[in-house]
Amino acid sequence: KQEVTQIPAALSVPEGENLVLNCSFTDSAIYNLQWFRQDPGKGLTSLLLIQSSQREQTSGRLNASLDKSSGRSTLYIAASQPGDSATYLCAVMDSSYKLIFGSGTRLLVRP
Amino acid sequence: GAGVSQSPSNKVTEKGKDVELRCDPISGHTALYWYRQSLGQGLEFLIYFQGNSAPDKSGLPSDRFSAERTGGSVSTLTIQRTQQEDSAVYLCASSFQRGGRSTDTQYFGPGTRLTVL
Repeated sequence: KQEVTQIPAALSVPEGENLVLNCSFTDSAIYNLQWFRQDPGKGLTSLLLIQSSQREQTSGRLNASLDKSSGRSTLYIAASQPGDSATYLCAVMDSSYKLIFGSGTRLLVRP
Repeated sequence: GAGVSQSPSNKVTEKGKDVELRCDPISGHTALYWYRQSLGQGLEFLIYFQGNSAPDKSGLPSDRFSAERTGGSVSTLTIQRTQQEDSAVYLCASSFQRGGRSTDTQYFGPGTRLTVL
């Protein structure tokens, strides 16, 4: 059974810092990995999707990497801003086309 | 363009009553998913519809839960005889489907917060 773990569960950093969020998964048979952002009381916003054949994706200040063989992904946020404060969720699409989510990392960027 | 919409945004009901939650996917997206987000369980898959294929209902927690998708667009999630443990945020997502199955980005709606008293 696929399990997704995110570390750390919570993170507080001063504005301007570069930071890394970690995601690990137990079964490497995935179609893709997706990073989402969730603001309090809101739905999920897709940030980046990495297909299983890809190693990384970039969007603005965000960079996500995927190492399928070791079951790991990282989300790198450069020059963090208070507006980046949110919960970040990692999800893998398993062999039956379902998204399996981690429990998220709550990020607070202090002004 | 318009994103995924869900209604109602909030629903309070009494234990034992039936509820219907609605999802309007992004136009042109033929894959549609339902998830549930609760404090104790995180985000969990419930059901998905892929074009004309039979839906995958493997995530539905009990036979009180059912979903349908009419005309390949709007979907309704129905919970019969609601219980307090059904209280959660119910999220819908859609994605573009190429070929048999969709591995494209899933776009989520704002969710319906269900409270069962």
